[in-house]
Parts: sequence; C-alpha cells; structure tokens
Amino acid sequence: NAGVTQTPKFQVLKTGQSMTLQCAQDMNHEYMSWYRQDPGMGLRLIHYSVGAGITDQGEVPNGYNVSRSTTEDFPLRLLSAAPSQTSVYFCASSYSSSGGREQYFGPGTRLTVL
Amino acid sequence: AQSVAQPEDQVNVAEGNPLTVKCTYSVSGNPYLFWYVQYPNRGLQFLLKYITGDNLVKGSYGFEAEFNKSQTSFHLKKPSALVSDSALYFCAVRALPVLMDTGRRALTFGSGTRLQVQP
Repeated sequence: NAGVTQTPKFQVLKTGQSMTLQCAQDMNHEYMSWYRQDPGMGLRLIHYSVGAGITDQGEVPNGYNVSRSTTEDFPLRLLSAAPSQTSVYFCASSYSSSGGREQYFGPGTRLTVL
Repeated sequence: AQSVAQPEDQVNVAEGNPLTVKCTYSVSGNPYLFWYVQYPNRGLQFLLKYITGDNLVKGSYGFEAEFNKSQTSFHLKKPSALVSDSALYFCAVRALPVLMDTGRRALTFGSGTRLQVQP
C-alpha cells in the first residue's frame, strides 16, 4: 500500500491564482481530512469528509473548497490564493469517522503564496 | 468546543534520561486521546491512543502515556530517551461521538512540543 499520497510536494503561487492540491489513499478509508500547519499553531482542520459525496467544514474553511467523488480521492482547491494561505498542508485518512480510529497522514504540500 | 494545551514549546533532555511531554485537554464528555510525532519534512505518525480501559497506554518506539481524568491530562513519557526521539510531538483529542453530530468527529490538535534529546 502506498498509504496517503499528496501532490505536489512544493508549490509557489502568485496572489489570485488558483490551484488544486491532490490527495489519494489506497486503504479504502471512509474518513479523509485536510489540515494546515502553521508555526506555533499546530494543525488546524480545513475540511473533512466522512464518505464519498459527503463533506463538511472544519475550523478554517474560508478560501478552500473540497469534493469527494470517490473513496480514494479528496482534492483541496484554492480558488484565489492569498499570502495568508502560505502554509504546509496535510491530508489524512482513517478507516472510519468513529472516534477511536487513528489517522494516517500524507507527506504534506508546502505552499508559498507571493 | 474541545481544545488541547501543550504548555511547553520545547523540552530538552539528555540521552538516557526519562522524558515527559505534557498535554492537557478540554472536551465535553469522555475523550479519545492521541499522540503523534512529526520528524523534519515528514507527515505526522501515530504513536499511541487512549480509548477506554487502562489509564496507562503503551505505544510505538517505547513511548507510553498516562490518562488522568481528574486532571484532564494525557502526558507522554519514555523511561530512557534516545537522540533519535528528537522531533515535534502533537497531542490530539476527539470527543466521543454524539449521534448525528458530525462536528464531534474532528480531531483537535495541540500546538506541538519540540523534543530535543542531547547526546
């Protein structure tokens, strides 16, 4: 199993540009989520999905869209990038959304918005 | 709302000495508690979790954590630190789910504690 994969690993955008961060998992996990990691702030939840066709907002959803058309894929879209979105983005998945399951994390995407 | 506090930005310990990384939490009802470790330029890796039962939980790489309900704490411990344990450690909490309340399924992370083990 490849686990959770993310592309690209690095990305530089100009303010106002759009892009999609890709996330895929091959573990048939029901639950997938996107976090951003900023220094001194830990990980903050952006959006999550409890199954194909079902998504919901997390703590910091503004400026981001998601969709979940398949179990495997959970892309994160930045509609109009802003410097405040400079961060490291992690995708994670777990077998189910029940509380006791640990999450598996991808390697991250480091995004810089100029 | 649920929250996690990791009061120490950094913990320094000499190799071979015991280590403790502190975590306190706030949640409505009973919690699920997790510890994750992050090595440089890597994603988070699961270390251990508390769901129910024995308050002392053992996990990967010789780490353990003690759940203390009265103090709402879940401190990470290791009897003898290794230089290779140097990394960023995150505590996380999730409340036990309430039927139809999807918001309760989200994990809340602490701000992280950098562990530095000196040779």
